[in-house]
Amino acid sequence: QSALTQPASVSGSPGQSITISCTGTSSDVGTYKYVSWYQQHPGKAPKLMIYEVNNRPSGISNRFSGSKSGNTASLTISGLQADDEADYYCSSYTSSSTHVFGTGTKVTVL
Amino acid sequence: QVQLVESGGGVVQPGRSLRVSCAASGFTFSRYAMHWVRQAPGKGLEWVALISYDGRNKYYVDSVKGRFTISRDDSKNTLYLEMNSLTDEDTAIYYCARTIFGVVADGFDIWGQGTMVTVSS
Repeated sequence: QSALTQPASVSGSPGQSITISCTGTSSDVGTYKYVSWYQQHPGKAPKLMIYEVNNRPSGISNRFSGSKSGNTASLTISGLQADDEADYYCSSYTSSSTHVFGTGTKVTVL
Repeated sequence: QVQLVESGGGVVQPGRSLRVSCAASGFTFSRYAMHWVRQAPGKGLEWVALISYDGRNKYYVDSVKGRFTISRDDSKNTLYLEMNSLTDEDTAIYYCARTIFGVVADGFDIWGQGTMVTVSS
């Protein structure tokens, strides 16, 4: 049950696009469509941004998009805005019927 | 509105027990699998436990197996996490979360505000 691997930090200027990677194994990300992404602002509960690899819940901006290739999933934020500055976590279902989160990525808007 | 509210956190001595609760409202609780997720101070999210919609299936992260028990009372729309033999590594904010579409394998669409558990002598 090792955590999925994410870069510790990613930064970009307002209006730019950034991509956060989430690397797992064939026992989680590589096998299942159940990859989700969460945004967490300081002192707040996480918020679902993407589910099932590339689906956006109602109310989430289309600036957020997800994809997956092999054992690596990705979250892309386009048109970066100040409020996008937060921590982001991926998660995946696993072959052990458990779930696992990524290590987390701090997004900084320059 | 759809809401999850955790309670029961506090300061507990190492080796002791604590039960945290999560009250659900605004949706049909009995139709959804539910999770507990924790976050140690300054650290990332860690998935802890899952219970299926009917309570028949329960899964845990290895670090809490044999010590923590997840349960639910659909008559009270409440999720529980019984924590035994607590250590300082269990110190964290404990969040309850609802599974998307009620599917066990899917992610978490509704989160509570969290309840802080501090294990300290």
